[in-house]
Amino acid sequence: AAGVIQSPRHLIKEKRETATLKCYPIPRHDTVYWYQQGPGQDPQFLISFYEKMQSDKGSIPDRFSAQQFSDYHSELNMSSLELGDSALYFCASSPGLAGEQEETQYFGPGTRLLVL
Amino acid sequence: QQPVQSPQAVILREGEDAVINCSSSKALYSVHWYRQKHGEAPVFLMILLKGGEQKGHEKISASFNEKKQQSSLYLTASQLSYSGTYFCGTWGLGANNLFFGTGTRLTVIP
Repeated sequence: AAGVIQSPRHLIKEKRETATLKCYPIPRHDTVYWYQQGPGQDPQFLISFYEKMQSDKGSIPDRFSAQQFSDYHSELNMSSLELGDSALYFCASSPGLAGEQEETQYFGPGTRLLVL
Repeated sequence: QQPVQSPQAVILREGEDAVINCSSSKALYSVHWYRQKHGEAPVFLMILLKGGEQKGHEKISASFNEKKQQSSLYLTASQLSYSGTYFCGTWGLGANNLFFGTGTRLTVIP
């Protein structure tokens, strides 16, 4: 079965640089979530989209922005990178058939970002 | 709003049972359970809904006490493959996203 695809899988950037992470949800899933997971920590919700519109915003820094495109893929844009942005970034998708609170979120393999 | 899990870590021998607890300070609509192996994505195990409906895994069970805002995950006859960090995710009433718990690291040894 098709899974969530994230690219790149690994990314090394320097401080103050920018990065773009991409997420391709499972086909026919119209809801996308972004999470940030620091070492030894739980995933922290950043932002979500439903049908190409922002659904909710969590602890996403103002330096970050995201959008969902017409083909339902999503991109997380990160600017002025800081050392503390080093983390695993997960994208998850859900079908959007029922209320979000009832739906399983399927996680992608993640993008490991290292900021030097 | 982060739910608290207990224990923080547990070591089991193959075949032993374990219970992982998740407790929230908020009224909940649903509880989602995930297992994550180091450096990998969280994998869905189970979702429990307000009102008692349960969907998920065949070898792992869970309970959801809405009044106490608590959920427990039951792992029976553990296998080596059960090792990993277990997270509960809670969706509060009126919330718009999932909050993950503090995590429980489970290690199964031969």
